[in-house]
Amino acid sequence: QVQLVESGGGLVKPGGSLRLSCAASGFTFSDYYMSWIRQAPGKGLEWVSYISSSSSYTNYADSVKGRFTISRDNAKNSLYLQMNSLRAEDTAVYYCARVGPRGVNKLGLDAFDIWGQGTMVTVSS
Amino acid sequence: EIVLTQSPGTLSLSPGESATLSCRASQSVSSSYLAWYQQKPGQAPRLLIYGASSRATGIPDRFSGSGSGTDFTLTISRLEPEDFAVYYCQQYSTFGQGTRLEIK
Repeated sequence: QVQLVESGGGLVKPGGSLRLSCAASGFTFSDYYMSWIRQAPGKGLEWVSYISSSSSYTNYADSVKGRFTISRDNAKNSLYLQMNSLRAEDTAVYYCARVGPRGVNKLGLDAFDIWGQGTMVTVSS
Repeated sequence: EIVLTQSPGTLSLSPGESATLSCRASQSVSSSYLAWYQQKPGQAPRLLIYGASSRATGIPDRFSGSGSGTDFTLTISRLEPEDFAVYYCQQYSTFGQGTRLEIK
């Protein structure tokens, strides 16, 4: 079945780094844009980043620009998020999500139609 | 940047009743890219509606979406116990703050 499974979360000190992974299965990974979305404890959803199917295009929320890097390996059906210079406000559950088949264009970003179960990242000394 | 404002913040209803949730955009947006999600405690969000009015795969027909321009609505008819959750609207990279639907 169509599935996304995140891993790599954990406890890290402020200023530290962490790399999240997302393993995809059950669909042709290389056909879809992919995204990371996070949710701080007790808060709402915040989009973090997306990447095009061929890695040609990436985009980031202002809150993470210059610190986080999204990447993918289509041969391994995997999505990644390299997080550097972590701050306390980056503490959240990080979800990997598939962007719907229309991807991204000037009208908008298609809906996130498949979500992983999330991985918790805690930034604390 | 577009801001999505959802109302009410919390909605208290009984099973069997109908719920109307609102999502208002700070400027006109493409209805083709307006989505609604449901999130239950401890779970990932689930896509309910895309393109403002199209139900995602497996979503019961008691969930319906409508609207255009700046005003969008998610309607849930005949509330079931499993429908009590938090609902978010989304357009491009922006999510609304959510509406909590609780049992009265």
